[in-house]
Amino acid sequence: DAGVIQSPRHEVTEMGQEVTLRCKPISGHDYLFWYRQTMMRGLELLIYFNNNVPIDDSGMPEDRFSAKMPNASFSTLKIQPSEPRDSAVYFCASSSWDRVDYGYTFGSGTRLTVV
Amino acid sequence: SQQGEEDPQALSIQEGENATMNCSYKTSINNLQWYRQNSGRGLVHLILIRSNEREKHSGRLRVTLDTSKKSSSLLITASRAADTASYFCATVGNYGQNFVFGPGTRLSVLP
Repeated sequence: DAGVIQSPRHEVTEMGQEVTLRCKPISGHDYLFWYRQTMMRGLELLIYFNNNVPIDDSGMPEDRFSAKMPNASFSTLKIQPSEPRDSAVYFCASSSWDRVDYGYTFGSGTRLTVV
Repeated sequence: SQQGEEDPQALSIQEGENATMNCSYKTSINNLQWYRQNSGRGLVHLILIRSNEREKHSGRLRVTLDTSKKSSSLLITASRAADTASYFCATVGNYGQNFVFGPGTRLSVLP
């Protein structure tokens, strides 16, 4: 398996623009997580899905953020409109409840810069 | 919150020495996991210890868990320059996958 695949790796956008981050989890994993990492706030859990259903989105900072998982192999995190304070590295991770000892597998992240 | 808090925030040691990092958490857990993050990369799972376990080994890694003190420690023996990274603990509660990371320990292993 190629692991968790995120795209793009880097994104630079202007304030006010819409940004869409993409994630392909590991095949067979039934949990998917979106995290945001900044120097100031560390790793923050934004939202997670179980079997494509959003379970906890309490970490989503504002209504400008939305996440979807239309099927088991794809998820998006959208920011509309983007603001400079959204600049961070966004990670997607997936896991399997049946293989909990293997922990979570993280993607390489998307570094978002909003200017 | 299930958040783990690592201690120290930063640690600098010489190659060959042992490195010990600690993690404290607030509420009961199902398991606790340690991850490593190299600069600019995603997190990599190192080891998981369940709430009914007290100690676990994996290669040069040794993890202990004290549920009475709500704390865990990660020991890296015979450290190498390649161990330079940030190390995070994360706790999983008993009622789901609410998975919260601490702020991490930045380990620097000097050659």
